Amino acid sequence: LAKTTQPISMDSYEGQEVNITCSHNNIATNDYITWYQQFPSQGPRFIIQGYKTKVTNEVASLFIPADRKSSTLSLPRVSLSDTAVYYCLVGRNTGTASKLTFGTGTRLQVTL
Amino acid sequence: AAGVIQSPRHLIKEKRETATLKCYPIPRHDTVYWYQQGPGQDPQFLISFYEKMQSDKGSIPDRFSAQQFSDYHSELNMSSLELGDSALYFCASSSRLGGSYEQYFGPGTRLTVT
Repeated sequence: LAKTTQPISMDSYEGQEVNITCSHNNIATNDYITWYQQFPSQGPRFIIQGYKTKVTNEVASLFIPADRKSSTLSLPRVSLSDTAVYYCLVGRNTGTASKLTFGTGTRLQVTL
Repeated sequence: AAGVIQSPRHLIKEKRETATLKCYPIPRHDTVYWYQQGPGQDPQFLISFYEKMQSDKGSIPDRFSAQQFSDYHSELNMSSLELGDSALYFCASSSRLGGSYEQYFGPGTRLTVT
């Protein structure tokens, strides 16, 4: 599994755009990039997944450069409720159960 | 929409006792995963089942065992509990249909070993 590196913590004000970058230098050809969000004492929640270029959903955007050695999760106009830990995961979407390997996530703190 | 159900939500046990955690996946999901998250730590994968067969194994102690039943619910059995087993235990489920392997997590069971 590709090792991921992301900032331990980030601070933002409400209403700002937040970009969290994840490095995954040894990503394999078959690997996808997935981001999960976790609130305290709750299970992680899927945010977005991508393979290359840009993916956007109602919650976030995921930017992946051509070399795929990094990716950036973009959260537009964050609110206080976006305060959480964000995990970047890299792995294959295999035909059977694909375990998630969580590294050290990014603790995002949003304030007024 | 139906979510993953875990029971109990809280459990207090003493050292050397046994515990059984239950997980009811989202209907029509064929895969169940178990994760352990210690205080201040990141979730760690324990074990997974696909169509009632063990499909992957992570850092699960030999004192723990798990299975998935014919109705797809899963149970994590923990014996000879140790203080270090105190953690949040999450169950997640997913479905191969649709090509997405997004995992849906339950609310977790908080196990406290005293």
